[in-house]
Amino acid sequence: DGGITQSPKYLFRKEGQNVTLSCEQNLNHDAMYWYRQDPGQGLRLIYYSQIVNDFQKGDIAEGYSVSREKKESFPLTVTSAQKNPTAFYLCASSSYSPGTYNQPQHFGDGTRLSIL
Amino acid sequence: AQKVTQAQTEISVVEKEDVTLDCVYETRDTTYYLFWYKQPPSGELVFLIRRNSFDEQNEISGRYSWNFQKSTSSFNFTITASQVVDSAVYFCALSEEYNAGNMLTFGGGTRLMVKP
Repeated sequence: DGGITQSPKYLFRKEGQNVTLSCEQNLNHDAMYWYRQDPGQGLRLIYYSQIVNDFQKGDIAEGYSVSREKKESFPLTVTSAQKNPTAFYLCASSSYSPGTYNQPQHFGDGTRLSIL
Repeated sequence: AQKVTQAQTEISVVEKEDVTLDCVYETRDTTYYLFWYKQPPSGELVFLIRRNSFDEQNEISGRYSWNFQKSTSSFNFTITASQVVDSAVYFCALSEEYNAGNMLTFGGGTRLMVKP
């Protein structure tokens, strides 16, 4: 089945620790995204990538980093500089090529990150 | 800049009632796309519909229907004969044409609780 796989489902971070959230897709989508969702709130964009080896900051990129070495993979690292990392993190992907703009984004199941 | 407002933060209905979720948007573009997503308790966002700004026809899909009115910048979502399985958070989103990366601007979401 085609889809987006996020792992782990739950993650705990200690003070001063960096943690990495995995996102893999087999939909052959060019664009990938990371969102943060706080309780009772909407989604805020952290980073996005339109093509391999390129990514752009979203609205709340501070304290986060990403890489896009392969089309299928877009891992997110929550660094120790992110002082309030407790949230639900969602990864998404979409088609992005001439003639296929504004396509729906497809989402993974999310990772819930908490501080120990 | 674009903005999406979902003024209803929570709605509670009894099963079999009809319910309408409101969505009001702001954009300067003449060409744009509107989306609705469902987020069940499991957490992933499920794509429901995509509508472009030139298509003002109402759409019906089973018990779901959407009313797009450009004159009032609204894209409302109605569930007919609601069921307990409809309980979820529903997000409305906007994407302006040619925006870099197919980015979506989300509303804050409406939590729908359908009681048996």
